[in-house]
Amino acid sequence: EVQLVESGGGLVQPGGSLRLSCAASGFTFSSYWMSWVRQAPGKGLEWVANIKQDGSEKYYVDSVKGRFTISRDNAKNSLYLQMNNLRAEDTAVYYCARDQGQRYSSGFPDYWGQGTLVTVSS
Amino acid sequence: SYELTQPPSVSVSPGQTARITCSGDALPKRYACWYQQKSGQAPVLVIYEDSKRPSAIPERFSGSISGTMATLTISGAQVEDEADYYCYSTDSSGNHRVFGGGTKLTVL
Repeated sequence: EVQLVESGGGLVQPGGSLRLSCAASGFTFSSYWMSWVRQAPGKGLEWVANIKQDGSEKYYVDSVKGRFTISRDNAKNSLYLQMNNLRAEDTAVYYCARDQGQRYSSGFPDYWGQGTLVTVSS
Repeated sequence: SYELTQPPSVSVSPGQTARITCSGDALPKRYACWYQQKSGQAPVLVIYEDSKRPSAIPERFSGSISGTMATLTISGAQVEDEADYYCYSTDSSGNHRVFGGGTKLTVL
């Protein structure tokens, strides 16, 4: 059974940093692209970032470029999102998701974790 | 920036057919997916590559595409199908991933 468990969310002040983690199990983690998707309170889904199986390709939504960094450790079956210079508009539930497909342009999330809440507020 | 447009809400009675649309200029070239999100839960993939259904999803869920519009159809909608539904695709270059704004399906 595919399982994705996020952790690391919490309350942070504007301008602060936070690192999210996602522990994967039930599949061969190193064989899949992985995604982060977020959902602001009461709002819709927004794709945030993607990373290739070996970490050689990374993609970001424009609003987080230069502030967020996606990474992975295949030996630990873990996905990460380093979030710096956080803003109030980054407040959201952040979901880790496994991607189906061998290319970024044709991939899509198929399994999702339960999410971790990040609140940016003073 | 690329956008996928969905109606904010759709309402049907139990047993009726619910249709949720998703409009986007690149849909003739790019696959669409659909996700179901019940209150307080993570999204679940219900349709991928326009019309394919994951094995765990009931047969009453189907997807189709016509020109620039993708449609999620729930034949004989049930009360447990009440949820928010999101379409997903990419722009024509494949460089930007986008979700639609979501449609709240009410079955009562």
